[in-house]
Amino acid sequence: DQQVKQNSPSLSVQEGRISILNCDYTNSMFDYFLWYKKYPAEGPTFLISISSIKDKNEDGRFTVFLNKSAKHLSLHIVPSQPGDSAVYFCAAGRGYQKVTFGTGTKLQVIP
Amino acid sequence: GAGVSQSPRYKVAKRGQDVALRCDPISGHVSLFWYQQALGQGPEFLTYFQNEAQLDKSGLPSDRFFAERPEGSVSTLKIQRTQQEDSAVYLCASSLEAGGSWEQYFGPGTRLTVT
Repeated sequence: DQQVKQNSPSLSVQEGRISILNCDYTNSMFDYFLWYKKYPAEGPTFLISISSIKDKNEDGRFTVFLNKSAKHLSLHIVPSQPGDSAVYFCAAGRGYQKVTFGTGTKLQVIP
Repeated sequence: GAGVSQSPRYKVAKRGQDVALRCDPISGHVSLFWYQQALGQGPEFLTYFQNEAQLDKSGLPSDRFFAERPEGSVSTLKIQRTQQEDSAVYLCASSLEAGGSWEQYFGPGTRLTVT
């Protein structure tokens, strides 16, 4: 049962344009959501998070939007840079319970 | 640096062998997590420690998997009688506070190949 889904395995974007990565979830009890970025041969690194009581959180070039009615969240990167090329994982959790990760979306930013 | 470290980085084991994977979390971090990441998949939760207490081991796939964190710092994930399906990257993460909602700092992982 895949509770967190990232339906796009890959995405290519031109440098300077917006990258939009999407994530859907099925468990309405999740109360926080996170995005992690992963380079090859490294562990994931935390990017940004959002609580279920909010619908938007912004940190520099990164903004996460949460649509609870649609059980959907998205990560916007503006402007995209070549160094943003990596695999992005969406994750969700509830209270002190385990965090569930999606399968990842590989972003390629073309110079 | 003072990040999460894991050893060994790579491990090749023959089917049936026992392996032990080590995780050194960031000093002072309360929470420690182990994940298994198969090729092309996201990290899958194995187990969670709050200090030395193993509060959740619901993700351990079988009784061949065992984890410990006896003094609330270093943790070891042990896999007995390894099978080919155990081949994966094993990630360790720690966080300053209790629970998974806080930012987790990941180590580079141990790539286990069972032949």
